[in-house]
Amino acid sequence: DAKTTQPNSMESNEEEPVHLPCNHSTISGTDYIHWYRQLPSQGPEYVIHGLTSNVNNRMASLAIAEDRKSSTLILHRATLRDAAVYYCILRDVLGLRGAGSYQLTFGKGTKLSVIP
Amino acid sequence: DTGVSQDPRHKITKRGQNVTFRCDPISEHNRLYWYRQTLGQGPEFLTYFQNEAQLEKSRLLSDRFSAERPKGSFSTLEIQRTEQGDSAMYLCASSLGLGHSSYNEQFFGPGTRLTVL
Repeated sequence: DAKTTQPNSMESNEEEPVHLPCNHSTISGTDYIHWYRQLPSQGPEYVIHGLTSNVNNRMASLAIAEDRKSSTLILHRATLRDAAVYYCILRDVLGLRGAGSYQLTFGKGTKLSVIP
Repeated sequence: DTGVSQDPRHKITKRGQNVTFRCDPISEHNRLYWYRQTLGQGPEFLTYFQNEAQLEKSRLLSDRFSAERPKGSFSTLEIQRTEQGDSAMYLCASSLGLGHSSYNEQFFGPGTRLTVL
């Protein structure tokens, strides 16, 4: 499976923008880029996903490099509630790697700390 | 609250005992997943159901582990003869799968934390 690389940790000041990078140099054409986050003592929650174009939703923006070998999750104004582990995940939509392509393969993610 | 519930939230057991966890997914979701998470690691996939059919099992799921989803509703995960290495958070997730959709957002429950003494 294509692998992602993320920094272990990042810090941000409250109310400032945060850019969380993810490298995925071996991404295939059918891999969607998904971001989930996990707040302390909770299960992961979906943040955003995309294929080639940049995406925006109420939680965040996803900027995808033109060659798709990297992406950046952007939180426009960090709040204390955004302190979490952020996971960048590739998922093969067409299931070309087999029937089990629906599961999410998590790495260690980036632990984001937000400083008041 | 995502709408996915898990019971119990915490379980302490002695090595060698059997334990069973329950997951109630969002009612209209046809897909259900079990993951395991140890401290400092991301969740690891264990198994996946589409309706009542168990379609995928990770090699992490040893023969001491069994999962069921009768009638395609709630699911149970049983661990027999627990070992200390089974201590982890067990997470359940569900999604509404519509063919090979890119938008297979998974909704996770709060997890069951298992401690094996």
